[in-house]
Amino acid sequence: GQSLEQPSEVTAVEGAIVQINCTYQTSGFYGLSWYQQHDGGAPTFLSYNALDGLEETGRFSSFLSRSDSYGYLLLQELQMKDSASYFCAVQGSGNTGKLIFGQGTTLQVKP
Amino acid sequence: DARVTQTPRHKVTEMGQEVTMRCQPILGHNTVFWYRQTMMQGLELLAYFRNRAPLDDSGMPKDRFSAEMPDATLATLKIQPSEPRDSAVYFCASGRGSSNTEAFFGQGTRLTVV
Repeated sequence: GQSLEQPSEVTAVEGAIVQINCTYQTSGFYGLSWYQQHDGGAPTFLSYNALDGLEETGRFSSFLSRSDSYGYLLLQELQMKDSASYFCAVQGSGNTGKLIFGQGTTLQVKP
Repeated sequence: DARVTQTPRHKVTEMGQEVTMRCQPILGHNTVFWYRQTMMQGLELLAYFRNRAPLDDSGMPKDRFSAEMPDATLATLKIQPSEPRDSAVYFCASGRGSSNTEAFFGQGTRLTVV
């Protein structure tokens, strides 16, 4: 089976940097994704890591360490609009593409 | 503007009634996921299709839930009979190919069973 752990809540101030961690357990692994979901909205894709290292997309970066079964999402120059839930998701092995999501981390950005 | 379309957006039904939710994946995507989202359980994977074939429905209560893809442009999730505990937001998502680096979500169907 597969399971993921991430903090339930994080609070930060505008302009700050925040890191949301994700650890996973899976019988097979293909990649780690991050999704953002605003209240009442649908999850939207942020980033994907299949290999170790850092992927940067604007203010958001995502990191993966396969040996540690660990990844994180780094949000820089926080803005009020970044207040949302952030989910890590594991893509299963065997090239099936099955996506299992963590419980999500609610980020609150304060002025 | 390619997007996943789900209908209905909202559904209120009485316990015991049948509910059918529909999803039109993005044209050209060959992978379809059904997720259920509640406050307590987060995003649960219910069913997963590739090229219209079900690959995994282990997360779905088999006694009352069923998922099908009658053709490449339509996926359905059916609950019969519905129960109050089925109240949730049901999301459909589609993706492309085996690498599936990005899943595109529909806006969801908010189901309330009273």
